[in-house]
Amino acid sequence: AQKVTQAQTEISVVEKEDVTLDCVYETRDTTYYLFWYKQPPSGELVFLIRRNSFDEQNEISGRYSWNFQKSTSSFNFTITASQVVDSAVYFCALRQENRDDKIIFGKGTRLHILP
Amino acid sequence: DTGVSQDPRHKITKRGQNVTFRCDPISEHNRLYWYRQTLGQGPEFLTYFQNEAQLEKSRLLSDRFSAERPKGSFSTLEIQRTEQGDSAMYLCASSPPNRGMNTEAFFGQGTRLTVV
Repeated sequence: AQKVTQAQTEISVVEKEDVTLDCVYETRDTTYYLFWYKQPPSGELVFLIRRNSFDEQNEISGRYSWNFQKSTSSFNFTITASQVVDSAVYFCALRQENRDDKIIFGKGTRLHILP
Repeated sequence: DTGVSQDPRHKITKRGQNVTFRCDPISEHNRLYWYRQTLGQGPEFLTYFQNEAQLEKSRLLSDRFSAERPKGSFSTLEIQRTEQGDSAMYLCASSPPNRGMNTEAFFGQGTRLTVV
């Protein structure tokens, strides 16, 4: 079965601190895709990054970085020097190549950046 | 704006009434998804279209729910005989054709349904 677990329900950090959001996934497929989405208070899900199962290279985009480790089935997201505008709910998600085409989401981590 | 568009943004209805939501996907996106999100939860998959064909329906989609995408463009989601448990945010997403590498889905702003 496919499953995404975000164990951290809610995190609060002071502005400028670094914060890591954890994501652990389960899948039986060898080809799959992982995503992170941001949901600000406005409600729209904003795509942040996609990672393919055959590409374990980590990625950095500005203050955001992602650590993909197949050995531990984890796809963690780090925000460096956090800002108040980073406050949102962040979702990790999984899509499997050879099954139905739906994306399965974790329950999300609510991130509060305190000024 | 050429993103995914959903209408209405908010809907309040009395229990037992029927409601219909519309989703206009990004142009040329042949895949369209409906999700439901309740407070404090992640989006839950409801159904999926590839062009006009409905390829999968979740067990969450009871017989009171029906979705269509008649011409492979916009889609509608209808809920008949609404119940208070149907209160949620209904999200639509679209995704381009799979050209050998899977891609992300782009979401609309959602329709928030309140059943009173």
